[in-house]
Amino acid sequence: AQRVTQPEKLLSVFKGAPVELKCNYSYSGSPELFWYVQYSRQRLQLLLRHISRESIKGFTADLNKGETSFHLKKPFAQEEDSAMYYCALMWNYGGSQGNLIFGKGTKLSVKP
Amino acid sequence: DTEVTQTPKHLVMGMTNKKSLKCEQHMGHRAMYWYKQKAKKPPELMFVYSYEKLSINESVPSRFSPECPNSSLLNLHLHALQPEDSALYLCASSRSGQGETGELFFGEGSRLTVL
Repeated sequence: AQRVTQPEKLLSVFKGAPVELKCNYSYSGSPELFWYVQYSRQRLQLLLRHISRESIKGFTADLNKGETSFHLKKPFAQEEDSAMYYCALMWNYGGSQGNLIFGKGTKLSVKP
Repeated sequence: DTEVTQTPKHLVMGMTNKKSLKCEQHMGHRAMYWYKQKAKKPPELMFVYSYEKLSINESVPSRFSPECPNSSLLNLHLHALQPEDSALYLCASSRSGQGETGELFFGEGSRLTVL
């Protein structure tokens, strides 16, 4: 069965410290993985997707198929990074429009 | 216009009421979604419309009835709801196509309270 696991409910770091939000997935096919972010009082929005292999707001995430992981990393956390982060897996019903499954989310708190 | 707009933002209804949630996007997206989000939980998929046809129904009770009148509009009709249906209902849209995956654009949500 398809599953996304984010083991940490809350991650608290100091400004300037490195941050890593963990995500593991379970999926028998070829996964499409995403990180979504929800800042306080804002709508849920895409942060980055694994296929684009880009860095957004200093965040990167690498898909590790061997470890079935897609951890989100940033070398120097900023206070404005404080938000709820959801790892998400897109899986398809026989090639048609797919279903985005979210992990339970990790709340990142960056302290000054 | 690059937003998904949901109305109303807040809705309080009794268990015998009939109400509707509305969602609109003008980005030319051909897939639209309803998600349900309870407090401190991730969004859970309810329905997916692809090219105005219902393609996914995640075993949602019949008291929730989706409707997609055209490619820009998505409604969720509510009838005989239960207090446990109180939640934030999120609408989202994305470009659609066979085998295409992509970014979902979310609305701000409609917060529903069932008394």
